Amino acid sequence: GNSVTQMEGPVTLSEEAFLTINCTYTATGYPSLFWYVQYPGEGLQLLLKATKADDKGSNKGFEATYRKETTSFHLEKGSVQVSDSAVYFCALGKGVQGAQKLVFGQGTRLTINP
Amino acid sequence: NAGVTQTPKFQVLKTGQSMTLQCAQDMNHEYMSWYRQDPGMGLRLIHYSVGAGITDQGEVPNGYNVSRSTTEDFPLRLLSAAPSQTSVYFCASKRQGGNTIYFGEGSWLTVV
Repeated sequence: GNSVTQMEGPVTLSEEAFLTINCTYTATGYPSLFWYVQYPGEGLQLLLKATKADDKGSNKGFEATYRKETTSFHLEKGSVQVSDSAVYFCALGKGVQGAQKLVFGQGTRLTINP
Repeated sequence: NAGVTQTPKFQVLKTGQSMTLQCAQDMNHEYMSWYRQDPGMGLRLIHYSVGAGITDQGEVPNGYNVSRSTTEDFPLRLLSAAPSQTSVYFCASKRQGGNTIYFGEGSWLTVV
């Protein structure tokens, strides 16, 4: 079946450090890949997405590239800020007759210290 | 910009009680779904709907009922709450043909 594996957290970095959160997936066919972010006490917000191999999603300085050969979608940011502290979820989505079933990784809690 | 609206935000139930979590979206999205989020786990799909009058089960449907009488609303019913249903519940929606799902802000449910 479909599954998503993220690097375990928590991850603690200093402000302006480089960030990588690893995400690998197992899926049949060609899923879409997503990164969602959840700030404390809030719901999930879409951070970025990629719908086909070699696509790069980007938003707010974050990037992730859909790598079919390594089945990965690692999240990166060159210089993190305190405001990036949140839980990050990698997910894959399979569209089936109008539905979009998301399969999530377990989430990675990120804390950025000033 | 209302988007996906969930009520209530917080609820405490006693074991065996019933309740309904409400979800409404104002984007005319055909697809709606409910997820639950448990500590250390990602979100898991409970039920989903591809349009009014159509519902189907997700990964963890037991103990929950849904109905979709209108495009806008997709309530989730707990008929007899159990402590294992203590969780954060998220409603989500997307338009037909799109692949981006929009989430509500969540409903924190505790069953004692």
